[in-house]
Amino acid sequence: AQSVTQLGSHVSVSEGALVLLRCNYSSSVPPYLFWYVQYPNQGLQLLLKYTTGATLVKGINGFEAEFKKSETSFHLTKPSAHMSDAAEYFCAVSAFTGNQFYFGTGTSLTVIP
Amino acid sequence: GAVVSQHPSWVICKSGTSVKIECRSLDFQATTMFWYRQFPKQSLMLMATSNEGSKATYEQGVEKDKFLINHASLTLSTLTVTSAHPEDSSFYICSARDSGGRNEQYFGPGTRLTVT
Repeated sequence: AQSVTQLGSHVSVSEGALVLLRCNYSSSVPPYLFWYVQYPNQGLQLLLKYTTGATLVKGINGFEAEFKKSETSFHLTKPSAHMSDAAEYFCAVSAFTGNQFYFGTGTSLTVIP
Repeated sequence: GAVVSQHPSWVICKSGTSVKIECRSLDFQATTMFWYRQFPKQSLMLMATSNEGSKATYEQGVEKDKFLINHASLTLSTLTVTSAHPEDSSFYICSARDSGGRNEQYFGPGTRLTVT
C-alpha cells in the first residue's frame, strides 16, 4: 500500500525567500516519487520526479527535491520564491512510473511581495 | 513530449443528463489510462483504471454504473457520467501510460463538470 502526507495545507513565503514544501510517503515497495504543480482551473504540470539513482532531483523552474529513504521524505525546495510560484503543489507516489498515483492533499503556496 | 488531451475542457449540464468526457493520447499508445476526480481545494482521487479492450477497474466507493468507462482503442478512453447530479460537479483528470516501452505516465489538462 502507498500513501502520501503533505504537512501544511497552506504555506506563505516572501518573494525571494526559501520555499520548503514537505512530503512524507509510505510505500511497501521502492517508491517512485513526484511533485506536480497546479494553477487554478488547470491540469497538473510535472515539476520533478525521483525513480532511481541520485537522490537529489532537480526539476523545472528552479525546484529540487531530495529523496531520503531513512526519513521516508521527499521535500520540495526552491532557494528563492517568485510571485509566479504561487500555486497548488501535490506530492505523489507510485510503485513505478506507469502505475496509479497516490496523491497527497496538496499544499497551497502563497508568495508575498 | 507526450501529450494527453481531454475534451471538453469544461461542460455544464442539467441534472439527470449524461455527459461524456474523452481522454486521448496524441502521440503515443496507452493500454492503460487512469481517471481521477478532484473536488475544489482537494486532492486528486483515483476513480478507476481503464484498460484497453477490457473492463475498467473501479476504486472502492466509485459506482461503476454511474461512471461508465470505455477504453476502445489504444489512444482513447471515455468517461461517461450518467444521470448526473450536482454532487457530481468536479474536475475530472485523466492520465495515460505510455505502453511503448518508456512506461511513463502523462496527465491530461482536466475537464471541469458543472451540473445544475
